[in-house]
Amino acid sequence: GAVVSQHPSWVICKSGTSVKIECRSLDFQATTMFWYRQFPKQSLMLMATSNEGSKATYEQGVEKDKFLINHASLTLSTLTVTSAHPEDSSFYICSARDMRGNQPQHFGDGTRLSIL
Amino acid sequence: GIQVEQSPPDLILQEGANSTLRCNFSDSVNNLQWFHQNPWGQLINLFYIPSGTKQNGRLSATTVATERYSLLYISSSQTTDSGVYFCAARSSNTGKLIFGQGTTLQVKP
Repeated sequence: GAVVSQHPSWVICKSGTSVKIECRSLDFQATTMFWYRQFPKQSLMLMATSNEGSKATYEQGVEKDKFLINHASLTLSTLTVTSAHPEDSSFYICSARDMRGNQPQHFGDGTRLSIL
Repeated sequence: GIQVEQSPPDLILQEGANSTLRCNFSDSVNNLQWFHQNPWGQLINLFYIPSGTKQNGRLSATTVATERYSLLYISSSQTTDSGVYFCAARSSNTGKLIFGQGTTLQVKP
């Protein structure tokens, strides 16, 4: 079945550091990938839609300069949390959809980010 | 944008009981998925069900797109069914998959 690989699984770093998270679709091409954030005891909130070869579109309230998204190929999207602070600590999950036909969205295993 | 509402927010069952989780959505959809999130945060895809009925073992799901709701049935519940269940709907208009707030299920032995 379709697989989305996300790395790293967890990151602990100091405040002010920038952190990059990778999301790859392993056996299908994804012109569009999605980034979600989940705080403890809450649901997944869509942060942004990553479009291959063009700028990402961000949901209302999500700072595009804080969360840099690059979708350089049909199988790779990256999310960089710039100058991370403790309030950026969260669980980040990427998702991708095979654009051939009407397909389900597949999710990575998530990245748990802790900023000290 | 599309609103996705799940009920009930919390559910406590005795092992062996049956349950129904509901998902209402506010817009026409071309995708409806049910997930179980395990304690490590992984989303386990249960059903991709934009319409109709599907069954997988003790679980089944029904989506009535014209009435904008989906149901997840769990029969003969087991303690291992405990966890958070999410539905997510993709709006036909925006293409975004939006999650409900989840139902936290606890199955007691």
